Amino acid sequence: QQPVQSPQAVILREGEDAVINCSSSKALYSVHWYRQKHGEAPVFLMILLKGGEQKGHDKISASFNEKKQQSSLYLTASQLSYSGTYFCGTEISGGGADGLTFGKGTHLIIQP
Amino acid sequence: KAGVTQTPRYLIKTRGQQVTLSCSPISGHRSVSWYQQTPGQGLQFLFEYFSETQRNKGNFPGRFSGRQFSNSRSEMNVSTLELGDSALYLCASSLKPGELFFGEGSRLTVL
Repeated sequence: QQPVQSPQAVILREGEDAVINCSSSKALYSVHWYRQKHGEAPVFLMILLKGGEQKGHDKISASFNEKKQQSSLYLTASQLSYSGTYFCGTEISGGGADGLTFGKGTHLIIQP
Repeated sequence: KAGVTQTPRYLIKTRGQQVTLSCSPISGHRSVSWYQQTPGQGLQFLFEYFSETQRNKGNFPGRFSGRQFSNSRSEMNVSTLELGDSALYLCASSLKPGELFFGEGSRLTVL
């Protein structure tokens, strides 16, 4: 079943923070985050495994709440380059063979 | 290091025809998966290959098929094309489970 992402779209000014949520009705093994700019391929951001860990690099971080089957992506002090569509992909079992089930995406627009 | 290469980038077909799309993964990546991307449904998993074996298949009709060669290159085929098959078809290769490196896709338009 497809995870639900919220919000569907968000417009921010440069320097503002954003949170994108991804919820699943099924127990998850992992949550994956990707960003896709218009006309380009999706680019891998990070993976979170069950266990509630938090990851991050630069000013983008994410958490995974195993009890709620929800992951959140945090973008701090957003930059113009953060604009794009963010997808979460979920795995029920590990190993990668089952493929990722992606949400419909969150469109993020950063304005100067 | 070269990325994932997909050919052709754009193609136009008519209903009833078939199409073959090609994907060359990143050197050393043995896993190749295919996704269909449409505005309405987003990214949907088609199938995944590892060492020439299909490990899993998404919820698509049998008209969608694929294969992987010994050099890890992969092809997908769609037979008896329908208007609804118009989409961006993305190929991704990976070394670690779930860490996908996508190609720029093949945009298929069915008239």
